[in-house]
Parts: sequence; C-alpha cells; structure tokens
Amino acid sequence: EVQLVESGGGLVQPGGSLRLSCEASGFTLSDYSLNWVRQAPGKRLEWIAYISGNAKTVFYSESVKGRFTISRDDANNLVYLQMSSLRDEDTAVYYCARDHLDGGNRHFDSWGRGITVTVS
Amino acid sequence: EIVMTQSPATLSVSPGERVTLSCRASQSVNRNLAWYQHKPGQSPRLVIYAASARATGIPARFSGSGSGTEFSLTISSLQSEDFALYFCQQYDNWPPRYTFGQGTKLEI
Repeated sequence: EVQLVESGGGLVQPGGSLRLSCEASGFTLSDYSLNWVRQAPGKRLEWIAYISGNAKTVFYSESVKGRFTISRDDANNLVYLQMSSLRDEDTAVYYCARDHLDGGNRHFDSWGRGITVTVS
Repeated sequence: EIVMTQSPATLSVSPGERVTLSCRASQSVNRNLAWYQHKPGQSPRLVIYAASARATGIPARFSGSGSGTEFSLTISSLQSEDFALYFCQQYDNWPPRYTFGQGTKLEI
C-alpha cells in the first residue's frame, strides 16, 4: 500500500525555521517526483514545491521561493521541506503528494494526511 | 495565475440522488483537470484526472466531463461514503504548476 506520512510540524516563532519530513512506503521513491502542498486556515490548497525523481529539478511557488527548500533522501524514503524566515501567513496544514505523469496528464495520485505548522 | 472557481460551496443532498459539481477555470486548461475527494482526518484521494479518466479503485458512479474552462464531476447515485469535500485542480505539465479550486462540500 502506498503511504506518505508527514512529520516535523509544530509551533514556531516568526522568522524561525522548521524542517518537515515526508516518509514514503509501499513504492520506490526514486521512481517518482514529489510535491508539497499547503492549506492555510480558511484558504484553498496552495502548491508550493516540486522535486523530480532524480532530484535535479525543483520548482517553487513565488510565495515560498528563496525561503523554502525541497530535498529528498531516497535511500531512507524521505522527502524534506526546509522552511526558513517563517511568516504568520505560512501557518497551514502541509501535505506531501506524489506526482504522477500518465500519458501527458499530471496529477497527484497519493497524498499524506498532512501536518500542522503554526507560526506565532 | 489560473484561478479555479467551484460551485456551489456546499451542496445538501440525499443518498441515492444524482449530483453534479462544477469547476471553472479563468482561462483554458485544455483537459488538464483533476478532481479529489477529501474526508476529515484522511488523505485527499484522487477521483478523476485528465478531466474524465477515473482513478484506480474509483466506482463507476463517478464521472468527469468538460474541457477548456468548464468542468463537472457527477456522482450518479450518492452513497453514504461519498459525503465529503471535493476539490478540482488544474495542472501545467511543464514546468509543473498546480492551482486548486476552493472546494465543494457534499453534506446530507
């Protein structure tokens, strides 16, 4: 069974840092690109970061570019989101999601349950 | 940025009913549209991708249609397990970019 489990969330002060982890199981992590998506209270989901299967390509949303870094450790089945210079507006539930490209159609075929980050 | 707008925000329905949820894009996304189901405390679940392709394990009562800027998700006969939040997502294949609708909540 494919599973993604986020960890590392919590309460952090503005300007602080936090590292989220996403542990993958049930599939070969290196075969897939991964994403981080977040949902602030009362807001819609927001995609924030992408990392390719070989880790050579990363993309970020404008809202986190320069502050957040996505990385991966395939040997340990982990994907990370290093967050720095945190702001109040980064308060959200953070999800990792597996990227799937099927015949030119890209979608998220598996998600974690999410982890809460509170900046206050 | 492409903005996705879903309607209605909440839909009160009964088991056995047929229901159609709408998702509109601010500009054409071709058929690059997915639908997800999200229940409290659970992971979001892929329902439809490429506007009309059912994801693995999704019952045939779920169907998706549309292209360009107008899309819909239809559940032909609501079951109790279908009551959830549904959100749409558009995607750019390269570079990867995704935006989401605000969601439609199906409630009894």
